[in-house]
Amino acid sequence: GQNIDQPTEMTATEGAIVQINCTYQTSGFNGLFWYQQHAGEAPTFLSYNVLDGLEEKGRFSSFLSRSKGYSYLLLKELQMKDSASYLCAVTPGSNYQLIWGAGTKLIIKP
Amino acid sequence: EAQVTQNPRYLITVTGKKLTVTCSQNMNHEYMSWYRQDPGLGLRQIYYSMNVEVTDKGDVPEGYKVSRKEKRNFPLILESPSPNQTSLYFCASRAMGGVPQPQHFGDGTRLSIL
Repeated sequence: GQNIDQPTEMTATEGAIVQINCTYQTSGFNGLFWYQQHAGEAPTFLSYNVLDGLEEKGRFSSFLSRSKGYSYLLLKELQMKDSASYLCAVTPGSNYQLIWGAGTKLIIKP
Repeated sequence: EAQVTQNPRYLITVTGKKLTVTCSQNMNHEYMSWYRQDPGLGLRQIYYSMNVEVTDKGDVPEGYKVSRKEKRNFPLILESPSPNQTSLYFCASRAMGGVPQPQHFGDGTRLSIL
């Protein structure tokens, strides 16, 4: 079967750095997405990785290792507004379908 | 402004009373999709469409219908709603072709079936 695993919940301190991991087992791989979702709101796109390595976007970075079926989202200089769920999703093939992880709820403490 | 619009945002209704949740996008996207989101289960796809008059089942299609008569609209129909369909629903769209594009989501519809 196809599966994506993420930790259910993480806690971090304002101003610190946190890394949210995502591992996947899928029939194919055509890219990995990270989305942010605040409680009760729609998911919003954060990053897309298709090649191995690190993609940096301001305070957020996303890393991919295709050989290990592994990605992480790195959030630096955490702010209270970063409290949200972070969703990992993989496109296994070319038909635009996504396999979604259950999401990681990130709690930021002052 | 590029957006996906869902209506209604909130609905409380009773078992068996047919309802439709509308979804419209103004980005000329070929691909549209419906998801439901329940605590601890993440996003689960109900139906998707890659073009007008082309729809396919997702992971949890039972109890739902969709139609794609126009490119911009993708309504979700619950013919005979039941309490287990109480959930938060999202419509999403994205462009097709080339590198996979991120999905754009509507603001969500919170349905309560009593």
